[in-house]
Amino acid sequence: QSALTQPASVSGSPGQSITISCTGTSSDVGGYNYVSWYQQHPGKAPKLMIYDVSKRPSGVSNRFSGSKSGNTASLTISGLQAEDEADYYCSSYTSSSNWVFGGGTKLTVV
Amino acid sequence: QVQLQESGPGLVKPSETLTLTCAVSGYSISSGFYWGWIRQPPGKGLEWIGSIYHSGNTYYNPSLKSRVTISVDTSRNEFSLRLSSVTAADTAVYYCARQPNLVVAGTDYFDDWGQGTLVTVSS
Repeated sequence: QSALTQPASVSGSPGQSITISCTGTSSDVGGYNYVSWYQQHPGKAPKLMIYDVSKRPSGVSNRFSGSKSGNTASLTISGLQAEDEADYYCSSYTSSSNWVFGGGTKLTVV
Repeated sequence: QVQLQESGPGLVKPSETLTLTCAVSGYSISSGFYWGWIRQPPGKGLEWIGSIYHSGNTYYNPSLKSRVTISVDTSRNEFSLRLSSVTAADTAVYYCARQPNLVVAGTDYFDDWGQGTLVTVSS
């Protein structure tokens, strides 16, 4: 199984909105509404930010939102804050009853 | 509040077997979730290794399947990872995490993670 495709890096200014894409195939992202997104700060464990494409766990800011169109899922962060600077990973369930992650996107808040 | 804690050797020799354990506290490992292992090589992305249910049902990453065994000990409320014939490419931070039973719950995510443990493969 191949990793999902994410841009290596994105950047934005405080207060702006950014979107991170996650492209897979009809066997993973496009085939199921089981895409999740994780935030990882340096030296820390990943933190669940979005699950089932667009659901937000309790305690996660509503500045984070998710969506999907075809084989591409997206994570949008609005009202960018300095604390949002981190690595972001998408993950999807697959038709082989496996899970696959994206390569990760480094978000820089400039 | 569920907590997961990985433990095991931080250094493994090439060709040997890597063994890690994830101790779960604050939640019964028999209570309807899957339990997974995910790794992250230094400076690289996340890779799902495999997941296990308390019944022993397992799913493995096809690229690692021939070398991976995940087992569960419900009496100790912990699960373990064995990865055989390791090479330098297996050097990574290894995380354990909880995930719902997708078939039963109709939802999917890795919500609670351990802090991770670095395993270095070197002679």
